[in-house]
Parts: sequence; structure tokens; C-alpha cells
Amino acid sequence: NAGVMQNPRHLVRRRGQEARLRCSPMKGHSHVYWYRQLPEEGLKFMVYLQKENIIDESGMPKERFSAEFPKEGPSILRIQQVVRGDSAAYFCASSGQYNSPLHFGNGTRLTVT
Amino acid sequence: AQSVTQLGSHVSVSEGALVLLRCNYSSSVPPYLFWYVQYPNQGLQLLLKYTTGATLVKGINGFEAEFKKSETSFHLTKPSAHMSDAAEYFCAVSGERGSNYKLTFGKGTLLTVNP
Repeated sequence: NAGVMQNPRHLVRRRGQEARLRCSPMKGHSHVYWYRQLPEEGLKFMVYLQKENIIDESGMPKERFSAEFPKEGPSILRIQQVVRGDSAAYFCASSGQYNSPLHFGNGTRLTVT
Repeated sequence: AQSVTQLGSHVSVSEGALVLLRCNYSSSVPPYLFWYVQYPNQGLQLLLKYTTGATLVKGINGFEAEFKKSETSFHLTKPSAHMSDAAEYFCAVSGERGSNYKLTFGKGTLLTVNP
């Protein structure tokens, strides 16, 4: 199955640690999107990347969060110095072209203790 | 700003009964509207979307939704539920005119289908 692959499925971090979430897009897709679902809320857009470029980061928190999509390898969402409020489900999606329908992964559930 | 309200976090129907999942939105621009479905242990997949034109939109698996601007609604329906329809359903609105990716989702409605 060449769907969007996210790992790990579950990630537990202590306050102050770093969290790294990985996303491999569908085969042939070069557009990647990250969404976050906080408890009791709907998914919200964070960032849109193409290979080696951030296209739209208007939904990213200003501090501690960063994303990359290198020429080789998966897209990485990095959260530095995690706090309890970062506990959420993080979903990655990909598309083959700009504004094509999104295909989502299963998500990574981050728990900060 | 955009927002989506899905009425009912959990809907239960009998097999063969009508499925109605409610979605109301607010948007500062003419909306693009979407329904996504998430089956157990899978990612979200697009069920259907409204952009412009015909207000009754047909999607996969016999689902359809009608855009009603006056009611700011985009309810999802299926005439006859099947056991395989059991899943979580998410309504979403585009945050920008013409954008398929900058979406704001509702909290989701879990649909269970009873035999």
C-alpha cells in the first residue's frame, strides 16, 4: 500500500524534550501538509511544504515548531521543548499537485507528560 | 475566520435506515466545503466536495451533500446505511477562496450502524 505513512503512531515525551514526527507522502506526491488536532477540537492546518520549500506556514505556532521536507527522505515536523499543550494528534497529508485532493495518513498521537 | 460545527458527536442508525450527518459552517469568503471519512485504523479520505456550481454534490459510496447558503449548511446524507459505513466523518471548510488544503475541520461525527 503506497498511502501516506506516518511514524511513530504514538509518541510520548516529557516536558522540555524534543518531538520529531515523520511523514512519507504517497508515491508520486511532492506536496505535503501538516495538520494538528487538539483534544476536543477539529483538525487545523499548520504548514504546506514542497520539496525543500515551505510554501505556507500560516498555521504554525511562532515558536518551537518547525517543518521540513528535504530533497530525500520524509517530511519532518519538529517540536522543541514540548509542553503539555502540545499533546495532540498530528496528521500529515499529501497531494500530487497544488490544490489536488489531500490524502491523509493515520496520524501521530503525541502525549507530553 | 472559518469554523465548522458538526451537530452530534455520535450518530447511531440501523442498517438500511437514512443517514443524516449535520454540518454548519461560517466563512468570511465563499466557501469550498468538504466531507472526509476515516475508517478504523486508516487516514482520512475525501468523500465529496463542493466548490462552485451545482449545490447537490455526489460522492463515493452513495453519499451526497447539499450546500445551502441561506442556512450555512452542508449536511451529508445516504438513503440506506450499510454496515461498512461505520466510520468517523469530518466536515471541513476552506480557509481561503479556492484552496483545497487550508482547511478547518469540525470535531467529527462517529457513525455506528446497527444490524
